[in-house]
Amino acid sequence: GEDVEQSLFLSVREGDSSVINCTYTDSSSTYLYWYKQEPGAGLQLLTYIFSNMDMKQDQRLTVLLNKKDKHLSLRIADTQTGDSAIYFCAETPEGGKLIFGQGTELSVKP
Amino acid sequence: GAVVSQHPSWVICKSGTSVKIECRSLDFQATTMFWYRQFPKQSLMLMATSNEGSKATYEQGVEKDKFLINHASLTLSTLTVTSAHPEDSSFYICSATTSRETQYFGPGTRLLVL
Repeated sequence: GEDVEQSLFLSVREGDSSVINCTYTDSSSTYLYWYKQEPGAGLQLLTYIFSNMDMKQDQRLTVLLNKKDKHLSLRIADTQTGDSAIYFCAETPEGGKLIFGQGTELSVKP
Repeated sequence: GAVVSQHPSWVICKSGTSVKIECRSLDFQATTMFWYRQFPKQSLMLMATSNEGSKATYEQGVEKDKFLINHASLTLSTLTVTSAHPEDSSFYICSATTSRETQYFGPGTRLLVL
């Protein structure tokens, strides 16, 4: 079945690195995504990784993919208070559908 | 690029009325649009997939007669919540894609049914 799991909360201090973890079930997903949602807003695409890649870096964001363990992580370097939001990972099993995790609420303390 | 808008951003209506929500892709043509529902502090649940010019495909448990979806053009999809009730109050978000790869999300519409 399709299932994506994330831890619900993460609290870090400003300037530290944040690592948000995600596990998924569908090994046929071609792409895996990370989205950011600020309060009362829609989803902002942060980054995505193709399933045949192990790592993707984009400025402060690093995505690691362990396809064998079906584990995806998002590392945010030098976390800022503006990074406080809910982060969703998503898999794409078929037909362009996105299956989202529950979201991880990141709280950045000054 | 890849901007998706929704209108209205919030709506309050009386129980029993119908509400229409528009989703537009502003700078690209969307072959497929998706409609999601999000309850507070929860994840997004896919309601339906809409392709231009054809009937929407609804997810299991979503009433197609209650949530009418029309995808009249490559830049516009509408979701009509018919005979709305308080339990339909939610945050409705659409997304649009030109391919099967990346979905771009609208800002969401908050619906409150009294």
